[in-house]
Amino acid sequence: DTEVTQTPKHLVMGMTNKKSLKCEQHMGHRAMYWYKQKAKKPPELMFVYSYEKLSINESVPSRFSPECPNSSLLNLHLHALQPEDSALYLCASSRGTSFLDEQYFGPGTRLTVT
Amino acid sequence: DAKTTQPNSMESNEEEPVHLPCNHSTISGTDYIHWYRQLPSQGPEYVIHGLTSNVNNRMASLAIAEDRKSSTLILHRATLRDAAVYYCILKNTGGFKTIFGAGTRLFVKA
Repeated sequence: DTEVTQTPKHLVMGMTNKKSLKCEQHMGHRAMYWYKQKAKKPPELMFVYSYEKLSINESVPSRFSPECPNSSLLNLHLHALQPEDSALYLCASSRGTSFLDEQYFGPGTRLTVT
Repeated sequence: DAKTTQPNSMESNEEEPVHLPCNHSTISGTDYIHWYRQLPSQGPEYVIHGLTSNVNNRMASLAIAEDRKSSTLILHRATLRDAAVYYCILKNTGGFKTIFGAGTRLFVKA
C-alpha cells in the first residue's frame, strides 16, 4: 500500500470556524509533511514532522496548527482563517527525512475560506 | 538552496519522446537532482533522481550534463497520461526540505 489518504477532499469554512484536515499513511513512514498550493503555483512547504516531532515550521501563521498523534496520522487544525488561505493542502510522507527519501503525496484537500 | 530554471511549458505529440530541460548553474557537489510531476487534480509524484551518472527507471530517464549545470528528463514515448507539471528540484545532505520551483507544464497532443 503506497497510498497517502486525505480527508475531506473539499472543505468550505467561514472565517470564524474551526476545522481539521486529516492525513493518513500505512507505509511505516516516519516523516510527514504539510504543503500549501495556490492555483497555478508550486507546492510550498508548511510543516515537517519527523518521528512524530515537529522538525520544521516554515513561519506558518498560528491559525494553522499541526498535530501528529501517531506515526500514521497527521492533522492540520484550522482556526480563524482568512480568504487568502484558500488553497489545496497537500500531505506527504517519506520513509525518513533523508534527502534521498522519496516523498509520497496525497491528493490534497481543497479548502475555500468564505 | 541552489535554484533551478525550467521552461514554463512544452508541447509534445503522443508516442514521441519528450526532453524536459532543467538548468541549475549554481549546483553544488552534494546536490542531487530530483524530478517530481503533478498530474491534474493530484498530488505530486516522484519520477527519478540522480547525482552524476545518467539514470533510468520504468517511468523515465535522467540525463545529467558532465558539468552538472543542467539535466534533462526524458520520457521515451509520451502518452496523454503524461500531461502534467514537471518539477526539477535540487536536494542535498544539508536538509530534507523539498523546495519546488515553478516547473514545466507539459501538454501532450493526440
